[in-house]
Amino acid sequence: GAVVSQHPSWVICKSGTSVKIECRSLDFQATTMFWYRQFPKQSLMLMATSNEGSKATYEQGVEKDKFLINHASLTLSTLTVTSAHPEDSSFYICSARDGAGQETQYFGPGTRLLVL
Amino acid sequence: AQTVTQSQPEMSVQEAETVTLSCTYDTSENNYYLFWYKQPPSRQMILVIRQEAYKQQNATENRFSVNFQKAAKSFSLKISDSQLGDTAMYFCAFMKHGTGANSKLTFGKGITLSVRP
Repeated sequence: GAVVSQHPSWVICKSGTSVKIECRSLDFQATTMFWYRQFPKQSLMLMATSNEGSKATYEQGVEKDKFLINHASLTLSTLTVTSAHPEDSSFYICSARDGAGQETQYFGPGTRLLVL
Repeated sequence: AQTVTQSQPEMSVQEAETVTLSCTYDTSENNYYLFWYKQPPSRQMILVIRQEAYKQQNATENRFSVNFQKAAKSFSLKISDSQLGDTAMYFCAFMKHGTGANSKLTFGKGITLSVRP
């Protein structure tokens, strides 16, 4: 149990295009999901908290208009990187909080984004 | 605000031996959770062990156990009978009791553990 999927696993896009990443909780409902960014050999940096049915809460320094988050259902959150640039290239990870279970966050496998 | 400190950037252990990874944290909260996550080369974050602050008993999951010292705000992970598959980056994390953004994880910088054959 407690499986989180993420799609796509990796994506290459041209500068200026938008990329959508999906995060799904497969066997539990998640009212809260989280989006992280991670650089090699570093810790996870929280970008935003995604709340089902309401606006996302962004961390300081994260551009809301650039990283659009939608949490349309209890099992799906999406992160859209708008007008991507090479500096947006990174590893993006989502997690989903199993609030009904053991108050634990479970992580997706991550998405590698390369912007050319 | 909460902080999590992992002061050792790297450790190495011989296969079948025991290793302890240290973690300290700072918080004014009384009700919270602590976690150790493992991130192998695949970069998939895997939950290793979880501890509720109100429980005095140290959590154990097979070869993994913690030494939770609430007063000292210390949360170390002991890996017994180390296996090659334990080679990974390990993150200590804190989560206060709450909902929504209040339930976000605060991570340490991580430690790279290498298990030698």
